[in-house]
Amino acid sequence: DIQMTQSPSSLSASVGDRVTITCRASQSISGYLNWYQQKPGKAPKLLIYGASTLQSGVPSRFSGSGSGTDFTLTISNLHPEDFATYYCQQTYNAPPLTFGGGTQVEI
Amino acid sequence: QVQLVQSGAEVKKPGASVKVSCKASGYTFSDYYIHWVRQAPGQGLEWMGIINSSGGSTSHAQKFQGRITMTRDTSTSTVYMELSSLRSEDTAVYYCARDMVRSVVGRGDTFDYWGQGTLVTVSS
Repeated sequence: DIQMTQSPSSLSASVGDRVTITCRASQSISGYLNWYQQKPGKAPKLLIYGASTLQSGVPSRFSGSGSGTDFTLTISNLHPEDFATYYCQQTYNAPPLTFGGGTQVEI
Repeated sequence: QVQLVQSGAEVKKPGASVKVSCKASGYTFSDYYIHWVRQAPGQGLEWMGIINSSGGSTSHAQKFQGRITMTRDTSTSTVYMELSSLRSEDTAVYYCARDMVRSVVGRGDTFDYWGQGTLVTVSS
């Protein structure tokens, strides 16, 4: 199974900040990497797929980059509604599909 | 609009089985795979398996071998996930999620629409 490791596991930030979250795969997954946002009590929401393609309706302050084993999610100008937990997910090899452990972005 | 509506919360005893339903609407049901993902309290996301809504073929994580059954009813656009031999570690919110790629193209393994989640509590 491909292991996905996110860092940090949590971070504190302020409105307007630029935030970067890292996801590392245990082997090369090319660009087969997605990012999801989850708010408490809600289902996850797809933000970015294919490492860098923004899902329809997602604000452009979200961006993704990387390939191979190292990936980043960047929020360029943190809004109040961006405080949530973010997960990466690899789609390179399944079963199983695997997720990172999550990064909680808090005030 | 695309919607996935799941069945309500369940409380089960260890060793029992649970069957969660996921009713799809707003799109052609048979055109997209459906995945199941679970989340234990305070924990991360765990992929469980996938079903082809058209042909009914399934694939699942090895971890659930022998315990998971996924089925679909095309007449009601509903997918079911049954998990047997429940233990306390199976206490979680269970989500169904649609694969974003049309099944005639293949599998995207990317989840664009999610159900609201079903809490399954396993307790004696």
